[in-house]
Amino acid sequence: SAVISQKPSRDICQRGTSLTIQCQVDSQVTMMFWYRQQPGQSLTLIATANQGSEATYESGFVIDKFPISRPNLTFSTLTVSNMSPEDSSIYLCSVDLQGSGRGETQYFGPGTRLLVL
Amino acid sequence: DAKTTQPPSMDCAEGRAANLPCNHSTISGNEYVYWYRQIHSQGPQYIIHGLKNNETNEMASLIITEDRKSSTLILPHATLRDTAVYYCIVRVGFGTALIFGKGTTLSVSS
Repeated sequence: SAVISQKPSRDICQRGTSLTIQCQVDSQVTMMFWYRQQPGQSLTLIATANQGSEATYESGFVIDKFPISRPNLTFSTLTVSNMSPEDSSIYLCSVDLQGSGRGETQYFGPGTRLLVL
Repeated sequence: DAKTTQPPSMDCAEGRAANLPCNHSTISGNEYVYWYRQIHSQGPQYIIHGLKNNETNEMASLIITEDRKSSTLILPHATLRDTAVYYCIVRVGFGTALIFGKGTTLSVSS
């Protein structure tokens, strides 16, 4: 499977500030997905990022709050803007890759743990 | 919304088989069944997936009923390191996001 890395791995931020999370994949991929996992909850899809086009956001998520960049086929960033304590979550990126067996499989990065004070 | 239903929690003794059920009664003909697990807030780990035939790999076996309305993930010899939240997900395939339900918390004890 591919190597997917995220930076930072964790951060503590003050409310009102912004944090940009990076996701790097060691192979070229068309689509990248960003998820949020609030404490004690399951994963929720934030947006889908295609290279060369605007990201597609899920209901409840807006570009002004979570701007996404996708400058090339191996990299994406998610910014959490004007943060509040409710943004404290784990943020994960994922990509579809050819699996070791059959067909395509989605692989996840290790996540970025964000705490907003 | 997630198209799957799983029990919230299960227990298993170390060394025994863990059988995790999943209901997906509204699955479409072109949707696959995927299983992932998440250990202590790490990124979800892919386990196995299938369309309609039973599948086996080095981690687990996936049994899909003939009508495809339910499936079972089998960990043949559970260890303490298999303690995790297990997610059963259906999706069409490449290029679509995974929609996570609440999953099953599997606790393996010695």
